[in-house]
Amino acid sequence: GQNIDQPTEMTATEGAIVQINCTYQTSGFNGLFWYQQHAGEAPTFLSYNVLDGLEEKGRFSSFLSRSKGYSYLLLKELQMKDSASYLCAVRGGGNKLVFGAGTILRVKS
Amino acid sequence: ETGVTQTPRHLVMGMTNKKSLKCEQHLGHNAMYWYKQSAKKPLELMFVYNFKEQTENNSVPSRFSPECPNSSHLFLHLHTLQPEDSALYLCASSQELAGGSDTQYFGPGTRLTVL
Repeated sequence: GQNIDQPTEMTATEGAIVQINCTYQTSGFNGLFWYQQHAGEAPTFLSYNVLDGLEEKGRFSSFLSRSKGYSYLLLKELQMKDSASYLCAVRGGGNKLVFGAGTILRVKS
Repeated sequence: ETGVTQTPRHLVMGMTNKKSLKCEQHLGHNAMYWYKQSAKKPLELMFVYNFKEQTENNSVPSRFSPECPNSSHLFLHLHTLQPEDSALYLCASSQELAGGSDTQYFGPGTRLTVL
């Protein structure tokens, strides 16, 4: 079966660091994606990991451990505009993307 | 601006109506997708087209009928829908139907309400 788990909601303070976790169980693995989705808008691509380790892109970093079926998205120097839903998606066997339900991040001042 | 547009952005329809959703991508991609997004649920893949050919129908009821006349346009024809079909319908495109880092780019979605 295919299963992607991420926390439903998180709250963090402006300027802080927040880590959004994602665990997955899929048939096959061909990469993991993170998307950001503001309310009423399109999901937008943030990052792609296929090898173990940390990928850094400005204030956002994404980590992958394939042996543990685990990834996290790290957001530094949080800004109010980072309030959004963050979607974890795994490309499994057959190359289909399987999405988690998303984590709603609320950034407070 | 993601290069994928969808119209209409909002649609309210009765269960006996027939309507169509339109998606257009300006990215030169060859694969297009329809997803359904319900509140607090994962995105559900509905249909996949690659080079205008349907390659995936994820057990979607026949009241949803996709059409892909060319690689830039994708339609979802709706008829005799049920209230539980109310959701955000997202269109996406990618360079081609491949593995690896082939990234899907999404449109803003059509918010559908079935009365």
